[in-house]
Amino acid sequence: SQTIHQWPATLVQPVGSPLSLECTVEGTSNPNLYWYRQAAGRGLQLLFYSVGIGQISSEVPQNLSASRPQDRQFILSSKKLLLSDSGFYLCAWTGTLFNYGYTFGSGTRLTVV
Amino acid sequence: DAKTTQPPSMDCAEGRAANLPCNHSTISGNEYVYWYRQIHSQGPQYIIHGLKNNETNEMASLIITEDRKSSTLILPHATLRDTAVYYCIVRAFSGAGSYQLTFGKGTKLSVIP
Repeated sequence: SQTIHQWPATLVQPVGSPLSLECTVEGTSNPNLYWYRQAAGRGLQLLFYSVGIGQISSEVPQNLSASRPQDRQFILSSKKLLLSDSGFYLCAWTGTLFNYGYTFGSGTRLTVV
Repeated sequence: DAKTTQPPSMDCAEGRAANLPCNHSTISGNEYVYWYRQIHSQGPQYIIHGLKNNETNEMASLIITEDRKSSTLILPHATLRDTAVYYCIVRAFSGAGSYQLTFGKGTKLSVIP
């Protein structure tokens, strides 16, 4: 069966520090991968999606970037965090047929201080 | 993408059926209706989806009107663990082959003992 792993679960980082969040999927190949962010009390915002290795599409211009170095690995990064980067970051995947929608990871709660 | 409209909040007595409405009057003929829920501090969880026929699985039933302009998610016997934000989403298709989901604000369902 397919599983999605996301870590760390929580993270407290100072303003100006770098960020790296990792997401991996097991039990499938060539998944579509997504990064979402949920600010406190807000809805889910799509940040990036990827349909293949090295293919990244950005939905919102921001202080963040994403990379997909391997088929089942998706990384969210920042060179210098801002206070506004605080939030709940979620990784998700779908198969190419999308018959059953997204499967989300357990999320990373990032607090920038 | 077709937009959806949901009530911001609803209450339901434990053991009763919870009926969550969703309006999607601009839905296109090839767009599916998806339902997800998000329990506090967790990633969203897929519940059910449908095109035009009513659907049922172990979690819920989905009733879609004949004109497809609205739908209702039914949790037949709500429990306290069903307290969550429920999202009704119409699937957007990206020409790149990915399937982006746009999450609105959803309906916060509170199951009351």
